[in-house]
Amino acid sequence: ETGVTQSPTHLIKTRGQQVTLRCSSQSGHNTVSWYQQALGQGPQFIFQYYREEENGRGNFPPRFSGLQFPNYSSELNVNALELDDSALYLCASSLELNTEAFFGQGTRLTVV
Amino acid sequence: GNSVTQMEGPVTLSEEAFLTINCTYTATGYPSLFWYVQYPGEGLQLLLKATKADDKGSNKGFEATYRKETTSFHLEKGSVQVSDSAVYFCALLASGTYKYIFGTGTRLKVLA
Repeated sequence: ETGVTQSPTHLIKTRGQQVTLRCSSQSGHNTVSWYQQALGQGPQFIFQYYREEENGRGNFPPRFSGLQFPNYSSELNVNALELDDSALYLCASSLELNTEAFFGQGTRLTVV
Repeated sequence: GNSVTQMEGPVTLSEEAFLTINCTYTATGYPSLFWYVQYPGEGLQLLLKATKADDKGSNKGFEATYRKETTSFHLEKGSVQVSDSAVYFCALLASGTYKYIFGTGTRLKVLA
């Protein structure tokens, strides 16, 4: 059984650019959540997808958007990057809603 | 709203010392409680969990007991090792909700 995998592991982007981060959920998991972890902070919830539909959203602007595909993999897109978007982005998958989440290793995004 | 408060770090201990990292929470209903560990440059790994009052989660020598009366979930280990050096996050998943609420993390440094 493979775990949650994220790509890329590291990324450097310029302010104003757009970025797409990818996540493959654990086998059989239909729920994917994304979190942003700024340096020295705990992860903050961005949004969750359940069976290809957005199921909830945290306090992030609309330039943070996502998708979930029929195979339950997911993408996080961030437009008009700002310096403060520099963070570790974590993907977590769950077997069903409101069940334990399993986290990937994260993508470290640096905006310069 | 729901929240998690952890003791501030860093916590520096000698090898074989006793560890306590305090965690208290505010939540409606009966949340599930978790401890995650993050090693340098890595994502989050679930360390232990408890889903109802008086449950004790344990793993790799770490323990935490869900105390409803004090709204606490303190992490303990009887004898720490250098390899336990990491950042520890306390988190809750409130019943009927879809997102984890994390504390700010406590950095543990164990010296040989």
